Amino acid sequence: QVQLVQSGAEVKKPGASVKVSCKASGYTFTGYYLHWVRQAPGQGLEWMGWINPDTGGTIYAQKFQGRVTMTRDTSISTAYMDLSWLTSDDTAVYFCTREDYWGQGTLVTVSS
Amino acid sequence: DIVMTQTPLSLSVTPGQPASISCKSSQSLLYSDGKTYLYWYLQKPGQPPQLLIYEVSNRFSGVPDRFSGSGSGTDFTLKISRVEAEDVGVYYCMQTIQLRTFGQGTKVEIK
Repeated sequence: QVQLVQSGAEVKKPGASVKVSCKASGYTFTGYYLHWVRQAPGQGLEWMGWINPDTGGTIYAQKFQGRVTMTRDTSISTAYMDLSWLTSDDTAVYFCTREDYWGQGTLVTVSS
Repeated sequence: DIVMTQTPLSLSVTPGQPASISCKSSQSLLYSDGKTYLYWYLQKPGQPPQLLIYEVSNRFSGVPDRFSGSGSGTDFTLKISRVEAEDVGVYYCMQTIQLRTFGQGTKVEIK
């Protein structure tokens, strides 16, 4: 069965970076784009961008361009989302998703 | 950017009664391939979103048939024929024709 398993919760200081991983199983990793979506506490869903695991090609939402980097390692069927220059506004649960299946989410807390 | 607008933002429903959520997009979601790229998700409390409907009206695997989607162009509707207690949560529409945009969400609770 398709599974997306994300890395654990993170606490970061303002100005730092965070890297969240998303390990895929149960399907051909290179066959489906992976998206990253975040959700601030009590708020709605916000799309951040996608990666084509086959080519490594990425598209980022304009809001995050220059601050987000999405990569993948096909040898271990894992995608990564790196967000830099964190502020308190980046405190959120970050999800990876194939759009039909979702990871469990990773809480990133930014606090001094 | 395509803006997705959902109404209502909250809904209180008696079990067994129907419910309906509207989603309007600022641009047509009909693509040149003839498909319309509108998805519906349900996010239950403390869980990631789960896919209900893709391409306007196609139920995802395992989704009960009390859920149905309809619409075209810029106007779409999610209907629950008979609401059950397990249907509580926040419902989101999402467009996938131009990058991705979600609606604000509609919170459904049981009376």
